[in-house]
Amino acid sequence: DSGVTQTPKHLITATGQRVTLRCSPRSGDLSVYWYQQSLDQGLQFLIQYYNGEERAKGNILERFSAQQFPDLHSELNLSSLELGDSALYFCASSVGANTGELFFGEGSRLTVL
Amino acid sequence: GQQLNQSPQSMFIQEGEDVSMNCTSSSIFNTWLWYKQDPGEGPVLLIALYKAGELTSNGRLTAQFGITRKDSFLNISASIPSDVGIYFCAGHDYQLIWGAGTKLIIKP
Repeated sequence: DSGVTQTPKHLITATGQRVTLRCSPRSGDLSVYWYQQSLDQGLQFLIQYYNGEERAKGNILERFSAQQFPDLHSELNLSSLELGDSALYFCASSVGANTGELFFGEGSRLTVL
Repeated sequence: GQQLNQSPQSMFIQEGEDVSMNCTSSSIFNTWLWYKQDPGEGPVLLIALYKAGELTSNGRLTAQFGITRKDSFLNISASIPSDVGIYFCAGHDYQLIWGAGTKLIIKP
């Protein structure tokens, strides 16, 4: 158990819809990262927050947005969903802002039909 | 942008065999890391390397930080069934760059 909690674990929705994925980082961790992993693909970095502020942005689509709240939990919002958005979405956390040592949650599996 | 070349892409091995995989980059990194992802799970950090030339072991796993700071390798000795999964290398300086992964499959 990494200590990172993601909900929901599974989500099935239709094209055009909007979903919100939630992440609670490990206790004490200030950084939250979001990654996308499509079937049999690698990890695509989406975005990082540190202590409530956006710190780094990867290949995140304009239809996607994220935020980190004062209690440090984070949400990833995916809108106008397309079939290609079907993937595993991972949240990870770390103590500091600039480290490679991440702790990953179990992921949220999104299926868009 | 920066890219890591991780090889091999997949490996079919017999239980008990030793395994070797590596990552190379055109850029230097301050830290090299190796993660393992079990099916249906998130990646888990196996080994982190902080110094060029550093050799670090974690049980049957051994990893090295190349002296040029542009490569790293991971060895697994005497593989067992629970070693199956995807192994990712990652290089870090001001950002974390991931390899595409090596899928380890054990032949029945």
